[in-house]
Amino acid sequence: ETGVTQTPRHLVMGMTNKKSLKCEQHLGHNAMYWYKQSAKKPLELMFVYNFKEQTENNSVPSRFSPECPNSSHLFLHLHTLQPEDSALYLCASGTLANYGYTFGSGTRLTVV
Amino acid sequence: GENVEQHPSTLSVQEGDSAVIKCTYSDSASNYFPWYKQELGKGPQLIIDIRSNVGEKKDQRIAVTLNKTAKHFSLHITETQPEDSAVYFCAAREAGNMLTFGGGTRLMVKP
Repeated sequence: ETGVTQTPRHLVMGMTNKKSLKCEQHLGHNAMYWYKQSAKKPLELMFVYNFKEQTENNSVPSRFSPECPNSSHLFLHLHTLQPEDSALYLCASGTLANYGYTFGSGTRLTVV
Repeated sequence: GENVEQHPSTLSVQEGDSAVIKCTYSDSASNYFPWYKQELGKGPQLIIDIRSNVGEKKDQRIAVTLNKTAKHFSLHITETQPEDSAVYFCAAREAGNMLTFGGGTRLMVKP
């Protein structure tokens, strides 16, 4: 285990469904990130939270809605997704100090 | 902002041979350079990193070199084994800023 836990590991949802992805870290990090990984774009940054405040939204469609209730938890709420949104969604945590990020194992999302 | 380019995108080597992956970065203020390994079904894992005050760092069969003047850094894996097969990502960062990742290299080690 890396210290960053993502649930669920796999998710299949219809285009009209609403679902949420969860990420949890207990590493004492104050920054959390959502990445989308697909064959077209290996690591595509979606959202950044520093100290629970969203500091980056990388032109992500509004059908993806992030939530960061505290420094240890991060959610990605999904609604009315498209088949092209099928991908591996990775959560990472880090600090503002100059170190690397710690990634979770990801949620493999399939939109049908 | 920072831009990191990584080459090659795929690399196939025979078991026991060496593998080299190269990255270039654009922002001369970047001073931290990690490498990640992503195995099938897992997230990227940090395997080695280097800071700009060091030219080379080794950890068993892996090493990273940094040329600040040319703004490029490389990952070297010696005596490759099948378990080295994975996708490798380089990244660059300046303190206070986010990591910028390269496009990844798929390494295949043939037994």
